[in-house]
Amino acid sequence: QKEVEQNSGPLSVPEGAIASLNCTYSDRGSQSFFWYRQYSGKSPELIMFIYSNGDKEDGRFTAQLNKASQYVSLLIRDSQPSDSATYLCAVIGFTGGFKTIFGAGTRLFVKA
Amino acid sequence: EAGVTQFPSHSVIEKGQTVTLRCDPISGHDNLYWYRRVMGKEIKFLLHFVKESKQDESGMPNNRFLAERTGGTYSTLKVQPAELEDSGVYFCASSRPGRGTNEKLFFGSGTQLSVL
Repeated sequence: QKEVEQNSGPLSVPEGAIASLNCTYSDRGSQSFFWYRQYSGKSPELIMFIYSNGDKEDGRFTAQLNKASQYVSLLIRDSQPSDSATYLCAVIGFTGGFKTIFGAGTRLFVKA
Repeated sequence: EAGVTQFPSHSVIEKGQTVTLRCDPISGHDNLYWYRRVMGKEIKFLLHFVKESKQDESGMPNNRFLAERTGGTYSTLKVQPAELEDSGVYFCASSRPGRGTNEKLFFGSGTQLSVL
């Protein structure tokens, strides 16, 4: 079982729609959860982080965490073509000594 | 503030050759990480420096890989001799001093290594 699992996609949504990206993790002791965005050929860039159960909103982005289900999601409202990128879910936990563990990423295409 | 810098951006070498990748972290960032992404797979941890000390090298594939961070500034990752399976994108990331469960990583743009 992979430590952090994501659907590789691609996920295609029309401009203006809500994009929903999902992630599950295996280490129940995980503490912190991150979403990095990576444009093609560029470096991953942190866009959201969440530590507690529930929702966290930042502009058009909402991160959701459910520790009981070991599930993290990222919602992008009013999706724009410029949101087209690979979104990487990342987790920090006790297992492995607080290393940041990444999922393989979900490719998102927002169609104009 | 300058970001994390890596070079070369691309390297194409033949099997058996040596390649050295370099990473300059953000100034003041004590933590420096090397990660690797093989096509279609997740970004995998290779090793972690705190200043000049190796804290965790559990992700290094084998002894053909050697990482250094002399003086606690820039780091190099040498692959010698390179094998076909070493191909991928090598990312460097850095973070501020201290470390905990809220660590936020700043990535370089990566080195695309192709071993032919």
